[in-house]
Amino acid sequence: SQTIHQWPATLVQPVGSPLSLECTVEGTSNPNLYWYRQAAGRGLQLLFYSVGIGQISSEVPQNLSASRPQDRQFILSSKKLLLSDSGFYLCAWMGGTEAFFGQGTRLTVV
Amino acid sequence: GIQVEQSPPDLILQEGANSTLRCNFSDSVNNLQWFHQNPWGQLINLFYIPSGTKQNGRLSATTVATERYSLLYISSSQTTDSGVYFCAQNTGNQFYFGTGTSLTVIP
Repeated sequence: SQTIHQWPATLVQPVGSPLSLECTVEGTSNPNLYWYRQAAGRGLQLLFYSVGIGQISSEVPQNLSASRPQDRQFILSSKKLLLSDSGFYLCAWMGGTEAFFGQGTRLTVV
Repeated sequence: GIQVEQSPPDLILQEGANSTLRCNFSDSVNNLQWFHQNPWGQLINLFYIPSGTKQNGRLSATTVATERYSLLYISSSQTTDSGVYFCAQNTGNQFYFGTGTSLTVIP
């Protein structure tokens, strides 16, 4: 079965510092991978998705970037964090009728 | 893009009560799914239900595609049902999520 590993679980970073969140997938090949952000409360905002190695689609212009260096690896990055980047970040694998989410990273920018 | 609206936004239930959550779509219903996010943030897929009715234990879901809505029924609610329930529609490579219904079940 498919498994998504996402780390770290929590992160506190100062404004202006860089960010790297990693997501890896097991149990499937050539998955469609997604990064979502959830602000306090609800609402899942799609940030990036990738249908293959090196292929990134950005949904929201912002301070973040994504990369897919390997088939089962999806990375979310920032060169300089802003206070507004705080939130709960979720990596997901979605295909057809199935969707699997990582456990999320709670990022607090201070 | 596709608009997904959920109601009610918040719901508080006494343990054992039943509830109905609603999801409305602005476009034709395709690949509709219901998710539950527990209080620790973990999202779990509950149902894939583009049309018709499905049941899984105390939960069931119905989608009326022609009228662009879906309902999630929770019967005999338990405290472990607490969390946020999302519906989402998949069109192509994207899932469009609703704003969720936050459910709190009190003992």
